[in-house]
Amino acid sequence: QITLKESGPTLVKPTQTLTLTCTFSGFSLSTGGVGVGWIRQPPGKALEWLALSFWNDDKRYSPSLKTRLTITKDTSKNQVVLTMTNMDPVDTATYYCARCPSDCSYGYWNWGQGTLVTVSS
Amino acid sequence: DIQMTQSPSSLSASVGDRVSITCRASQSVRTYLNWYQQEPGKAPKLLISVASTLQSGVPSRFSGSGSGTDFTLTISSLQPEDFATYYCQQSDSTPHTFGLGTKLEIK
Repeated sequence: QITLKESGPTLVKPTQTLTLTCTFSGFSLSTGGVGVGWIRQPPGKALEWLALSFWNDDKRYSPSLKTRLTITKDTSKNQVVLTMTNMDPVDTATYYCARCPSDCSYGYWNWGQGTLVTVSS
Repeated sequence: DIQMTQSPSSLSASVGDRVSITCRASQSVRTYLNWYQQEPGKAPKLLISVASTLQSGVPSRFSGSGSGTDFTLTISSLQPEDFATYYCQQSDSTPHTFGLGTKLEIK
């Protein structure tokens, strides 16, 4: 059974750096073709794709957020970490991590439950 | 970035109705188009990948079609559990952009 779970702070202050961890089980991020991505959703709004870490350490970022995002993986711990710098209230959202097989061409098959991050002073 | 435009943004229908949601890409995504269903307070669920492949366990009343820039999600006979928000997403190239969603409501 494949599971993913996001963890991290629920409240951050403006200008702070957010660090979120996706801990997963039931698959390995060293398996060819597998990726783990981050997607967020502000309250009442649409999904926004943020970043993706592939099995081969290839990393992709949203161009509009690239300067603020870093994605890393720890294969031995079955974790993917997303950091986002210079947080702003507009970054308030539920953050999801999700697994995609086959070089992510066929969509995101398994999702975590999401974690709500509020940015406020 | 490839922009994904969904229509309509909201749709009111009755149980048993046949409904269609369209998604248009700003450039060709070949068939790398996915559809997700999201219920309130829950994570999205992948329904259809590569335009028309139904995920395991998804009822056959859901179907997808299209290629290039124009895609359609069809629900042949709406059931109460289908009232949710639907998103398209392209996975042809990163960033894997999503549409703004279609909220399907009970009439």
